[in-house]
Amino acid sequence: AQTVTQSQPEMSVQEAETVTLSCTYDTSESDYYLFWYKQPPSRQMILVIRQEAYKQQNATENRFSVNFQKAAKSFSLKISDSQLGDAAMYFCAYVRPGRSNYQLIWGAGTKLIIKP
Amino acid sequence: DGGITQSPKYLFRKEGQNVTLSCEQNLNHDAMYWYRQDPGQGLRLIYYSQIVNDFQKGDIAEGYSVSREKKESFPLTVTSAQKNPTAFYLCASSIGNSPPGELFFGEGSRLTVL
Repeated sequence: AQTVTQSQPEMSVQEAETVTLSCTYDTSESDYYLFWYKQPPSRQMILVIRQEAYKQQNATENRFSVNFQKAAKSFSLKISDSQLGDAAMYFCAYVRPGRSNYQLIWGAGTKLIIKP
Repeated sequence: DGGITQSPKYLFRKEGQNVTLSCEQNLNHDAMYWYRQDPGQGLRLIYYSQIVNDFQKGDIAEGYSVSREKKESFPLTVTSAQKNPTAFYLCASSIGNSPPGELFFGEGSRLTVL
């Protein structure tokens, strides 16, 4: 069975610095999708970034980028120039193509604290 | 503005009482989901509905019930049979399954059993 592991329950970073959140996953599939979701203190979770496994290029959305290492089954999120508004829980998730969204597999989350 | 509205935001319940959490969306999404969020456990799927008048159990459906009589609405009832109901509950929706993994969430409801 596929699993998603976020080994860092909590991380902190100084404002304006860079931080990397880790996510590893276990699958025997060659094609799949990976996601990072952000849940700020207001609690409305939003999709930050999506990566398709067959794409070599790492996905990027403004200050958010991923380091996707397929062989190592690692999918880390890098946040550059951290801002106070980046403080949130971050969840990593996985789904196989052709599967329904209810089959998303979620990590336990990492709480990111931004120090002013 | 389009979105998902959950109510109430905070709810207190005595043991033995049923409670219903509301979830309404105006995104015209076919699929809706209920998740339970506990510290250190990520999101666990309670129920999902891919079309109106149909719903399926998720991974932790025991002690919960839902209905989907309207496309916009997917209320969750936490029954007295749920042994540990104190938790944060998230409702989400999606346009079917494409694009994959793109869910839209409400702000959540925190239920505390006294």
